[in-house]
Amino acid sequence: KNEVEQSPQNLTAQEGEFITINCSYSVGISALHWLQQHPGGGIVSLFMLSSGKKKHGRLIATINIQEKHSSLHITASHPRDSAVYICAVNTDKLIFGTGTRLQVFP
Amino acid sequence: DAGVIQSPRHEVTEMGQEVTLRCKPISGHNSLFWYRQTMMRGLELLIYFNNNVPIDDSGMPEDRFSAKMPNASFSTLKIQPSEPRDSAVYFCASSWDRRAPLHFGNGTRLTVT
Repeated sequence: KNEVEQSPQNLTAQEGEFITINCSYSVGISALHWLQQHPGGGIVSLFMLSSGKKKHGRLIATINIQEKHSSLHITASHPRDSAVYICAVNTDKLIFGTGTRLQVFP
Repeated sequence: DAGVIQSPRHEVTEMGQEVTLRCKPISGHNSLFWYRQTMMRGLELLIYFNNNVPIDDSGMPEDRFSAKMPNASFSTLKIQPSEPRDSAVYFCASSWDRRAPLHFGNGTRLTVT
């Protein structure tokens, strides 16, 4: 079993839909990262959080340390949100999930 | 700031050749990471430097791989000799602290034929 599990693996949505991507982990962590990888391959750090909730524009990330679970929400999704979203947890090193491929259609 | 700069963007080489990937971290960042991304295994940490010193190289696949950071503004990842299974995208990332948000370079896509 992977130490970091993401769901779903693939997600399609219509423009404007509310999207949720989930991340569960089985190890003790100091922080959790959400990353975005566009089709061109570049990786951007969206959030780093260790408790509670963070918001940046239409993106919201939450984490529940007791349940070892984090969610990434996208409100009013747009085709430019199409990307792979990767969850990663900080232990003594960074452990990555396998990513969720999101496609948003107009 | 120009961000993390990696070169080359693409590298195609024949099996057995030496490959050197380069990275310039963001100025002021004291942590530097080399990652490898493949379809099968996703993103994996190869090695992590802090203040130019290798701290964790447990992800380096084998002796064919080596990494150096001679100063705060430059790091190399070398594969000698290269093999087809080394084909992957290699990312360099830096941060001001190992627990701070990461800044990734655009990656080097390596193809070994």
